[in-house]
Amino acid sequence: ETGVTQSPTHLIKTRGQQVTLRCSSQSGHNTVSWYQQALGQGPQFIFQYYREEENGRGNFPPRFSGLQFPNYSSELNVNALELDDSALYLCASSLYSGRNTGELFFGEGSRLTVL
Amino acid sequence: AQSVTQLDSHVSVSEGTPVLLRCNYSSSYSPSLFWYVQHPNKGLQLLLKYTSAATLVKGINGFEAEFKKSETSFHLTKPSAHMSDAAEYFCVVSLNAGNNRKLIWGLGTSLAVNP
Repeated sequence: ETGVTQSPTHLIKTRGQQVTLRCSSQSGHNTVSWYQQALGQGPQFIFQYYREEENGRGNFPPRFSGLQFPNYSSELNVNALELDDSALYLCASSLYSGRNTGELFFGEGSRLTVL
Repeated sequence: AQSVTQLDSHVSVSEGTPVLLRCNYSSSYSPSLFWYVQHPNKGLQLLLKYTSAATLVKGINGFEAEFKKSETSFHLTKPSAHMSDAAEYFCVVSLNAGNNRKLIWGLGTSLAVNP
């Protein structure tokens, strides 16, 4: 158990809809990263939040957006859902410091199916 | 350019035999290196990490990895495979990127353990 919790665990949406996924980070962690993992693929970095601001982004369109709250929890929002957005969405928390090594603690993921 | 190559997409071993999952990296700097494991329909769990201390790193569940700078490798080993080791394994390189850490993920190696 990493202490990172994600909700919901599974959900089904239709094309064009919007979805919000939530993540509570591990106690003491101040950074949250989101990854998309399509079936049979490795995780793809979406973005990272530190101190409530996005401070890194992968190759994802603007319809993927996020928030980080003062308690370091986070949301991932996806607008105008497409079939290819079907994937496991993973949240990872970490503690950023000057000597941060990049170790991540992952939640169990939210599996999104877009029909 | 920095990259991570997992040399085998799929490895199959018999229970009780050694496991070797190969990872090579390319980096201009001294990286931090990680191995993560993902069991079916689960999130990712850190197996072990190298952060410029001892080159032989011991992780959970009996896994080890050795950082070899001359060979730019970080292969994962276990002396005796167990059925519960069947999972997907990801090699990850962590690099400094300004105020951020950039993670580069390998494509993963699927480990099957046969009875």
